[in-house]
Amino acid sequence: TQLLEQSPQFLSIQEGENLTVYCNSSSVFSSLQWYRQEPGEGPVLLVTVVTGGEVKKLKRLTFQFGDARKDSSLHITAAQPGDTGLYLCAVYSGGSNYKLTFGKGTLLTVNP
Amino acid sequence: GAVVSQHPSWVICKSGTSVKIECRSLDFQATTMFWYRQFPKQSLMLMATSNEGSKATYEQGVEKDKFLINHASLTLSTLTVTSAHPEDSSFYICSARLSGRYSNQPQHFGDGTRLSIL
Repeated sequence: TQLLEQSPQFLSIQEGENLTVYCNSSSVFSSLQWYRQEPGEGPVLLVTVVTGGEVKKLKRLTFQFGDARKDSSLHITAAQPGDTGLYLCAVYSGGSNYKLTFGKGTLLTVNP
Repeated sequence: GAVVSQHPSWVICKSGTSVKIECRSLDFQATTMFWYRQFPKQSLMLMATSNEGSKATYEQGVEKDKFLINHASLTLSTLTVTSAHPEDSSFYICSARLSGRYSNQPQHFGDGTRLSIL
């Protein structure tokens, strides 16, 4: 069973369009992270959301944490080719090692 | 910011060869390092958790005799893929977590190693 369900899995849009990526779970989390990964590189942390209902903005990216802290969304306004990449949501799972578990990711392609 | 370096970034070798990948935390001490595997257009799958001075903890389904992990110092963990075969070809990524009292310190990722077995 996948802890985090991301949708859509693939998304191809034209430059200037808006898009939303979703990350859902049946579990409640104390925090949730969003990463972006470009081909041949490691993932880069974009944001951490910790409070139910929280909204964080990073330039044209808007991140929201659900009120119940079970889901999150990433909205990109006026997408640019430089936004192309794999977007991953992730949460820390329990135990002494406090592991980071990733969703399956959304592969975004922004065409010029 | 915290930097994690992986070496090599890309390796091609013949089937049956053993390959060692290094993960170094350059400007911080990392009690715990994590090794992930990623197939094309897929997400990162945790293979094992490496703790300095102790045995690694492997995820279910990962062969510990196949993927040897050593974490001999607070700045270096190594992953050795033993007797590699074409199905072991993948992108291997490490991450390092700052040492500290609390286990929720952020993880910092390396840039990955692309392993191709011919």
